[in-house]
Amino acid sequence: SQKIEQNSEALNIQEGKTATLTCNYTNYSPAYLQWYRQDPGRGPVFLLLIRENEKEKRKERLKVTFDTTLKQSLFHITASQPADSATYLCALDINTGRRALTFGSGTRLQVQP
Amino acid sequence: GAVVSQHPSRVICKSGTSVKIECRSLDFQATTMFWYRQFPKQSLMLMATSNEGSKATYEQGVEKDKFLINHASLTLSTLTVTSAHPEDSSFYICSANRALTTSTGELFFGEGSRLTVL
Repeated sequence: SQKIEQNSEALNIQEGKTATLTCNYTNYSPAYLQWYRQDPGRGPVFLLLIRENEKEKRKERLKVTFDTTLKQSLFHITASQPADSATYLCALDINTGRRALTFGSGTRLQVQP
Repeated sequence: GAVVSQHPSRVICKSGTSVKIECRSLDFQATTMFWYRQFPKQSLMLMATSNEGSKATYEQGVEKDKFLINHASLTLSTLTVTSAHPEDSSFYICSANRALTTSTGELFFGEGSRLTVL
């Protein structure tokens, strides 16, 4: 079956360190992969999109990599801050043309001051 | 970024009643909107795709007669939970993307609506 997997265990790191979150998928060949941030009780907020022909994408302290051979994306937050604490979701469009996204279960990040 | 507004943010209703949730795109036209449902500590599950001027497309296992979707204009989609039961209690979130010519695929989400059915 088709799956998008993220580490369901919370990731706890110290302020200033780099957080690395993983998204693995099976049985897809996505044209792009997206990352979102979700705070408790709120809708997700778009962070980054990376296309299949891109190996890496950066935005301020965020970096995303995309390995279509491994079917994996890594999401990095450098110089992490307590305000980065949230749940991070990866998402794919598995029905090309319909533009609806399928989301992973998300990984909760907790940055300790 | 684009703004999608959802209302109400919280609603409590009695079992058997119907509840309507509105989703508006405030600064762009959305020919397509998506409705998701999220249970505690779980991911978003796509319920249906709302198409302006035509019938919604429902995901497998989602009852179209229970979750009525209307997309009457390019800026408004509504989800009505009919004859709500406690198991319908959940966090409902709408989303939209811009027109195909300007979108790179990212979705803009509303703030979500927390439904509690007593």
